[in-house]
Amino acid sequence: GAGVSQSPSNKVTEKGKDVELRCDPISGHTALYWYRQSLGQGLEFLIYFQGNSAPDKSGLPSDRFSAERTGGSVSTLTIQRTQQEDSAVYLCAQRSGANVLTFGAGSRLTVL
Amino acid sequence: DAKTTQPPSMDCAEGRAANLPCNHSTISGNEYVYWYRQIHSQGPQYIIHGLKNNETNEMASLIITEDRKSSTLILPHATLRDTAVYYCIVRVDNYGQNFVFGPGTRLSVLP
Repeated sequence: GAGVSQSPSNKVTEKGKDVELRCDPISGHTALYWYRQSLGQGLEFLIYFQGNSAPDKSGLPSDRFSAERTGGSVSTLTIQRTQQEDSAVYLCAQRSGANVLTFGAGSRLTVL
Repeated sequence: DAKTTQPPSMDCAEGRAANLPCNHSTISGNEYVYWYRQIHSQGPQYIIHGLKNNETNEMASLIITEDRKSSTLILPHATLRDTAVYYCIVRVDNYGQNFVFGPGTRLSVLP
């Protein structure tokens, strides 16, 4: 989606390694969401930021997953000690003033 | 818990109207109906949303029944590029609430 950049676009890692995924939203939009989508599956909510705080992190699947946001802008999603079941496309979205979501193209994570 | 039910898949002939139904029988008075679509290997894309009146934009039309328990997304002249998974979501117009995506409807536009 236009305006939301995610990096890396593809990441292949070995089981047990840590990975960090980055989301660069359009400046000025305070709400940011992380979702993940496993192959052939629907979107799974992970966490939502309002500014730099996360009012809803109920979707994080385990304590290996964490996310932060600094300056009300860039957000990073960190997965520690990756497992094969973590393989998925991780999608970042920002919410506009019209209360709709604009998604990035996603980061495809493959854990070998 | 997506609060909506959609058929898992539909076909439509190219050039014809695609009518995608969504049931949301437990919708609350302050909940909007949103539609998104996801073309293969891309992030979801917003299409349209509405509360109770029918809505139209350059992409589609949204028809909401009078009792608001169901709605239909209409793509008036479907093209091959409209092949995608279409998601119907209901949520309050509240900045604090999550968007819950269900499995959606996989629309295949056939030549």
